Amino acid sequence: NAGVTQTPKFQVLKTGQSMTLQCAQDMNHEYMSWYRQDPGMGLRLIHYSVGAGITDQGEVPNGYNVSRSTTEDFPLRLLSAAPSQTSVYFCASRQGPEQYFGPGTRLTVT
Amino acid sequence: QQQVKQSPQSLIVQKGGISIINCAYENTAFDYFPWYQQFPGKGPALLIAIRPDVSEKKEGRFTISFNKSAKQFSLHIMDSQPGDSATYFCAASYSGGYNKLIFGAGTRLAVHP
Repeated sequence: NAGVTQTPKFQVLKTGQSMTLQCAQDMNHEYMSWYRQDPGMGLRLIHYSVGAGITDQGEVPNGYNVSRSTTEDFPLRLLSAAPSQTSVYFCASRQGPEQYFGPGTRLTVT
Repeated sequence: QQQVKQSPQSLIVQKGGISIINCAYENTAFDYFPWYQQFPGKGPALLIAIRPDVSEKKEGRFTISFNKSAKQFSLHIMDSQPGDSATYFCAASYSGGYNKLIFGAGTRLAVHP
């Protein structure tokens, strides 16, 4: 199993551009989440999904959209990137309490 | 409002020493307390977790101590090794709310040979 995969690994955007961060898991987990990691702030939950077609907001949802059309995929969309969205983004899936994290996407918005 | 407070921010330990990282939480509804380990360029990975019905859990060189009345828990790494050098995050959530895992700010541990 590949576990949780994320693409791209690195991305640089200009303010106002849009992009989609991809996340996929092959463990047939119902639950998936997106976190952002910033220095001194740990990981903060952006959005999560409890199954295909069902999503909900986390702690810091503003500026981000998600959808879950299949069990495997959970993309994160930035509609109009802002410098405040410069961060490392982690996707995770879980079955039970343990979260399995992907390798992350480092995003810089200039 | 930071619901899980972690200290210290960084820690330097000599090889063979004991590393201790502390966390305090506010929400008494929390009943699941994991520790995650993160190496540079990688995603966090579950290291060890505890529930409040026990005061201590040990897995190899890693031990969680839990104090329910003080709302505190800590990670002890015995016989610390250079390979333990990583960032450690404590976290908390409650049954039925595992999607909403609340993380501490992280501790960067460096173990010197």
